[in-house]
Amino acid sequence: AQRVTQPEKLLSVFKGAPVELKCNYSYSGSPELFWYVQYSRQRLQLLLRHISRESIKGFTADLNKGETSFHLKKPFAQEEDSAMYYCALGPMYSGGGADGLTFGKGTHLIIQP
Amino acid sequence: NAGVTQTPKFQVLKTGQSMTLQCAQDMNHEYMSWYRQDPGMGLRLIHYSVGAGITDQGEVPNGYNVSRSTTEDFPLRLLSAAPSQTSVYFCASSGPQETQYFGPGTRLLVL
Repeated sequence: AQRVTQPEKLLSVFKGAPVELKCNYSYSGSPELFWYVQYSRQRLQLLLRHISRESIKGFTADLNKGETSFHLKKPFAQEEDSAMYYCALGPMYSGGGADGLTFGKGTHLIIQP
Repeated sequence: NAGVTQTPKFQVLKTGQSMTLQCAQDMNHEYMSWYRQDPGMGLRLIHYSVGAGITDQGEVPNGYNVSRSTTEDFPLRLLSAAPSQTSVYFCASSGPQETQYFGPGTRLLVL
């Protein structure tokens, strides 16, 4: 069975400090990994898709197949980064639409001034 | 181009009542999905569709029905609402190999 684990429900860091949001997964086959962000009571927005290898708002994530991880990182946190972050997976190159996505439970990131 | 729209934004139901949550997209996307979001549970897939006339069950389909008669619309029906269905419901759509676009959500409270 496919599963996404985000071990931290809540992560609080100070402005300017580095941020790392952890994501581990289990999947039989080749997965595609995503990070979505949800600002207070808003819709989910795509932050990163691992196959595109883009950096959005200073965030990066590297897929580590050996450790089955896809941790989200940012070197210097900003107050506007405060939000819920969800890691998700789907079949490779699917975008998640054809079969839906499997989401982790989310990490609430709080950036303190 | 409105993207993905959902109505209503908020709804209160009594146990046993029925209702339909509406989802529409104007991007000609083939794929559409319904998720529910609960505190501490993340998002869980309810039903999804790969095209008009084709639907399939996700992780938590019980208590929900869907149909896809057009490419644009993907309504979610609760036939007999239960308090356990209190949640925030998100609809999403995408094209092949594209990432999903999410709607603004519908907050449902079942008393």
